Amino acid sequence: GQSLEQPSEVTAVEGAIVQINCTYQTSGFYGLSWYQQHDGGAPTFLSYNALDGLEETGRFSSFLSRSDSYGYLLLQELQMKDSASYFCAVSHSGSARQLTFGSGTQLTVLP
Amino acid sequence: DAGVIQSPRHEVTEMGQEVTLRCKPISGHDYLFWYRQTMMRGLELLIYFNNNVPIDDSGMPEDRFSAKMPNASFSTLKIQPSEPRDSAVYFCASSSSPRGQDGYTFGSGTRLTVV
Repeated sequence: GQSLEQPSEVTAVEGAIVQINCTYQTSGFYGLSWYQQHDGGAPTFLSYNALDGLEETGRFSSFLSRSDSYGYLLLQELQMKDSASYFCAVSHSGSARQLTFGSGTQLTVLP
Repeated sequence: DAGVIQSPRHEVTEMGQEVTLRCKPISGHDYLFWYRQTMMRGLELLIYFNNNVPIDDSGMPEDRFSAKMPNASFSTLKIQPSEPRDSAVYFCASSSSPRGQDGYTFGSGTRLTVV
């Protein structure tokens, strides 16, 4: 099976940088994705990493180390609107056309 | 495109009643997924379709749950009979990429309450 671990809660102040870590265990790993979900809303896609390294998209960056089965989401210049839950998800050969989601990290941005 | 469209947004029903949730995926997306989200279990995949064909329904909790996709633009998830433990937010998502590399697009969800 697959398992993912990420912190349940993270708190940071506006303008700061925060890193949300995700470790996973899976066979036949394909890629690691990140999704954002505001309270009462739908998950929205942020990024996908299949290769080692850092991918940057505006204020958000995502990193993957396949050898360490580890990735993180980096949020810079935090804004109040970034308060949300962030989910990492793995795609893997056992079920390549579906994602297995972590339990989510609740990010609270304080003024 | 209007995105993935789900209906209804909210559903309150009595235990034992039949519930039908509806989903219209994004045109051109070949993959459709039904997820359930609860505080206890997080986001769970129930079933997914590729080109209208059910591929993996191992996440469907039990025989009370069934899903269909009669054409590329419509899918239903039915619960009969419903039970209080089925209360959750049900999301439909669609994708054009087999591994999610372009992301899944989720609908707004149906919040189901079974009393």
